[in-house]
Amino acid sequence: DAGVTQSPTHLIKTRGQQVTLRCSPKSGHDTVSWYQQALGQGPQFIFQYYEEEERQRGNFPDRFSGHQFPNYSSELNVNALLLGDSALYLCASRISPGVWAYEQYFGPGTRLTVT
Amino acid sequence: GQQVMQIPQYQHVQEGEDFTTYCNSSTTLSNIQWYKQRPGGHPVFLIQLVKSGEVKKQKRLTFQFGEAKKNSSLHITATQTTDVGTYFCAARGGADGLTFGKGTHLIIQP
Repeated sequence: DAGVTQSPTHLIKTRGQQVTLRCSPKSGHDTVSWYQQALGQGPQFIFQYYEEEERQRGNFPDRFSGHQFPNYSSELNVNALLLGDSALYLCASRISPGVWAYEQYFGPGTRLTVT
Repeated sequence: GQQVMQIPQYQHVQEGEDFTTYCNSSTTLSNIQWYKQRPGGHPVFLIQLVKSGEVKKQKRLTFQFGEAKKNSSLHITATQTTDVGTYFCAARGGADGLTFGKGTHLIIQP
């Protein structure tokens, strides 16, 4: 049973460019959340997808957008990259957004560096 | 929005010593989760606490949830080098995502 997978592992982009990160949830999970983790900090919630719709959103600008596909996999898109977007981007999956009792499983993350 | 404060930020211990990290909130929490992140790794779920005053144990790890459900702690007895990492508490945020504390970095000196 594969856990949460993310691609790519590492990415280097230039300021102003756009990036797409990908995530496949753990088998049986239908809800995907994205987090940004700056160096030395805790993860910060970006948004959550369920049934191919953005259900909840944290305090991130519209430059951050996403998508969920029918197979529950998800993409995170960031436009007009800033130096401050450099971080580890984590995808987490769980069963159903409304059942808080279930823990989230995190993927290994994508390390994004913006130069 | 929901905020959780975690202390200390760093903790150096000798191998074999005990370690405790604390998580505090100004508001009542519905529940709290604890995660461990190894250097270069990703957060791994440890446990969830739901009930007021709840205490759960996992081998050398003891987790507590305060009576008022505003604080929680993680205690590790007789630390080992495998315990190295950052320990995060996380609570449900208003947006249904998790709100993480800044974490406690545990450094163990052999």
